[in-house]
Amino acid sequence: EAQVTQNPRYLITVTGKKLTVTCSQNMNHEYMSWYRQDPGLGLRQIYYSMNVEVTDKGDVPEGYKVSRKEKRNFPLILESPSPNQTSLYFCASRRSLNTEAFFGQGTRLTVV
Amino acid sequence: GQQVMQIPQYQHVQEGEDFTTYCNSSTTLSNIQWYKQRPGGHPVFLIQLVKSGEVKKQKRLTFQFGEAKKNSSLHITATQTTDVGTYFCAPPGDSNYQLIWGAGTKLIIKP
Repeated sequence: EAQVTQNPRYLITVTGKKLTVTCSQNMNHEYMSWYRQDPGLGLRQIYYSMNVEVTDKGDVPEGYKVSRKEKRNFPLILESPSPNQTSLYFCASRRSLNTEAFFGQGTRLTVV
Repeated sequence: GQQVMQIPQYQHVQEGEDFTTYCNSSTTLSNIQWYKQRPGGHPVFLIQLVKSGEVKKQKRLTFQFGEAKKNSSLHITATQTTDVGTYFCAPPGDSNYQLIWGAGTKLIIKP
């Protein structure tokens, strides 16, 4: 089954404790993205990747890092989480430009 | 940066009434995608519109792309409880590697 898998689904952590949210897709897609979703703000892109070892900043990259060492994986790293990073996070992949995006189930992160 | 305005933010309807959401851009769009997000779920692709004036239908859902390719709409006829969720429009951004997301329109069925 074609899918994008994110882990964990829920995470509560403390300020400053490094964390990684994993994302994996089994569709051999070139493009992958991370979004955060906050009430009333829609989806805002954090980082995106066009291929292995090629990443770029989205609209809200501050406080986040990503890596794309393999085509299927695109982890999101918060080196020092802060409460303003409390949000719902989605990973998405696309086969190519102008094709549909497939989303993971989401990770609800709370930073206290 | 490029932005897209989606209205209304919420729409409360009785089951069986129609629902419409609008998406407007200040710039000409090459295409536009629509997604649906059920409560507690993730966005799911509905359709992509590419041509000026294009109209596409999926059962009770009708999608339109404006003649000037600056606006789009989604109309649902005779809403059902299964239609509940938030509907997003998403055209490509300036870099084309990004999708620019509208704020979404939440469809709420009145009890």
